[in-house]
Amino acid sequence: AQSVTQLDSHVSVSEGTPVLLRCNYSSSYSPSLFWYVQHPNKGLQLLLKYTSAATLVKGINGFEAEFKKSETSFHLTKPSAHMSDAAEYFCVVRRMDSSYKLIFGSGTRLLVRP
Amino acid sequence: DGGITQSPKYLFRKEGQNVTLSCEQNLNHDAMYWYRQDPGQGLRLIYYSQIVNDFQKGDIAEGYSVSREKKESFPLTVTSAQKNPTAFYLCASSIEFGITYEQYFGPGTRLTVT
Repeated sequence: AQSVTQLDSHVSVSEGTPVLLRCNYSSSYSPSLFWYVQHPNKGLQLLLKYTSAATLVKGINGFEAEFKKSETSFHLTKPSAHMSDAAEYFCVVRRMDSSYKLIFGSGTRLLVRP
Repeated sequence: DGGITQSPKYLFRKEGQNVTLSCEQNLNHDAMYWYRQDPGQGLRLIYYSQIVNDFQKGDIAEGYSVSREKKESFPLTVTSAQKNPTAFYLCASSIEFGITYEQYFGPGTRLTVT
């Protein structure tokens, strides 16, 4: 069965410093993985996705994530945080059965200090 | 300007009343989805529809009903049988139903039942 674990419920960084949001997955197959961002009281926006092509995936707004099969990780990074990055981030894995359902992590709230 | 619209943004109902949440998309997507989000949790799938006149139960369908009479529309009814209906409801769509198709989300409806 597929699952995701987001290792931190809250992450706080200063503006201009690097961001690291951690995600571990469990999957019997080569997974499809996603990162979504949600600003307060808004819908979710896709940041990036991994579908077994390049292991380093570049997304929007300067975010990227690296798929590491040996560590079953898909951590999200950004070199320099901006105040507008403050939001909730969800790591998501797609189920590989015929339902293709998305399984969401519990989310990491990113706080950016001025 | 293509996208997904959900109305209203905020909805208040008395306990025991059924309520219908609207979801419309003009992306010409075949597949549509309804999710529920509770504080501090990831999204959970309520219902999904692969194509017009077809829909399947998700992981938490009890107390909810849907219809898919038009490609553009996928309304969700929260019935009085739903024991804890207060939540943030998100509608999503994808080009087709399948492993490679990412989901796009609407802005959500916050339902409060008292």
